Amino acid sequence: EDKVVQSPLSLVVHEGDTVTLNCSYEVTNFRSLLWYKQEKKAPTFLFMLTSSGIEKKSGRLSSILDKKELSSILNITATQTGDSAIYLCAVEANNNAGNMLTFGGGTRLMVKP
Amino acid sequence: ETGVTQTPRHLVMGMTNKKSLKCEQHLGHNAMYWYKQSAKKPLELMFVYSLEERVENNSVPSRFSPECPNSSHLFLHLHTLQPEDSALYLCASSQDRFLGFREKLFFGSGTQLSVL
Repeated sequence: EDKVVQSPLSLVVHEGDTVTLNCSYEVTNFRSLLWYKQEKKAPTFLFMLTSSGIEKKSGRLSSILDKKELSSILNITATQTGDSAIYLCAVEANNNAGNMLTFGGGTRLMVKP
Repeated sequence: ETGVTQTPRHLVMGMTNKKSLKCEQHLGHNAMYWYKQSAKKPLELMFVYSLEERVENNSVPSRFSPECPNSSHLFLHLHTLQPEDSALYLCASSQDRFLGFREKLFFGSGTQLSVL
């Protein structure tokens, strides 16, 4: 059974801090790893990673995949209160039924002023 | 606005009630999904529809009954639910079920369901 584990479960930081969120996975036939941000209800897409060692960057957010370690990190620098959200990691894998997306439990980030 | 609209936003129902959740996507996608998000559990896939045909049913109890009348609309019919079914129910859509998710999985804002 495919498995995705995120750590930490929750994190409280102050504005300006840098945070690193972790995602590790055990899946068969890995295709891609995706990060989502869930602020209120609807998760919104952040990054998709398929190749190991290549950093994806968007403003203060960046992410990198390590296929050897079966993991990914999401970095947020100079955090702002608007970064407070649940960050979800999902791994796409291929099985006989097609492409499956397995989500981790999320990391709840709170950024205090 | 993600292009996926869910109604109602909140729903409180008793265990003997029958209600339906509605999802509509305006993105021209061919695949639609129901996910369940409970406190302290990861997002769980419930059903997948591709071109209006159900292609996946992840051992969901029969008290949840999906319906996809066309590629833009998806319903989840609820009857005789249990308090443990209280959760956020998220609808999502993607261009195509079998070409890979890539980044194009769009979520609605969900229906927060409470079963009393």
